Amino acid sequence: QVQLVQSGAEVKRPGASVKVSCKVSGYTLTELAMHWVRQAPGKGLEWMGGFVPEDGETIYAQKFQGRVTMTEDTSTDTAYMELSSLRSEDTAMYFCATGPTVTADGPNWFDPWGQGTLVTVSS
Amino acid sequence: QSVLTQPPSVSAAPGQKVTISCSGGSSNIGNNYVSWYQQLPGTAPKLLIYDNNKRPSGIPDRFSGSKSGTSATLGITGLQTGDEASYSCGTWDSGLSTGVFGGGTKLTVL
Repeated sequence: QVQLVQSGAEVKRPGASVKVSCKVSGYTLTELAMHWVRQAPGKGLEWMGGFVPEDGETIYAQKFQGRVTMTEDTSTDTAYMELSSLRSEDTAMYFCATGPTVTADGPNWFDPWGQGTLVTVSS
Repeated sequence: QSVLTQPPSVSAAPGQKVTISCSGGSSNIGNNYVSWYQQLPGTAPKLLIYDNNKRPSGIPDRFSGSKSGTSATLGITGLQTGDEASYSCGTWDSGLSTGVFGGGTKLTVL
């Protein structure tokens, strides 16, 4: 059974960068398709990007292109999401989650999810 | 503003049935499978339904999903106080090449 454990809460200044980690256990990272989803306070879920098997690569939501980088360290089975040029609107809970490894188009479900990492952007 | 549209809230009494709707378009729900998530306060989302109407192992059959055209519906029967949570729908949008979600529906069990 896959388990995802994320790094702890972060407080950042506007303009800074944040890097959130997601440690995988139960499987190796190479067997999974990792995604990142965020949720601003009181708002809905927002997909940021992830590995799309049909494309064979990690793709990013257009909204975050140029500001987000998702990487993986297969030696430690840890995935990372780095978001730069932070602004107050980036204050949110950030989740890692795994999607299907076989898709007809793109991921249409996510399971399981990490516990979430709260990123607060404040001056 | 979420790509998929859900009612902000629904309520029903214990033991009753409730349905939650999720409306989209031809590029998302109309051409892709829909999933549903339960999010208890302060916790991560949990997958309830995938591929429109399939339940992962461990999800009781009180939870069901259906899809018709560009809309999907989550049904919950035999409501319990422990079902009080936010429920969100999700799918892939082939036009945007993006995962998309609804804004979430808060269920209150009166």
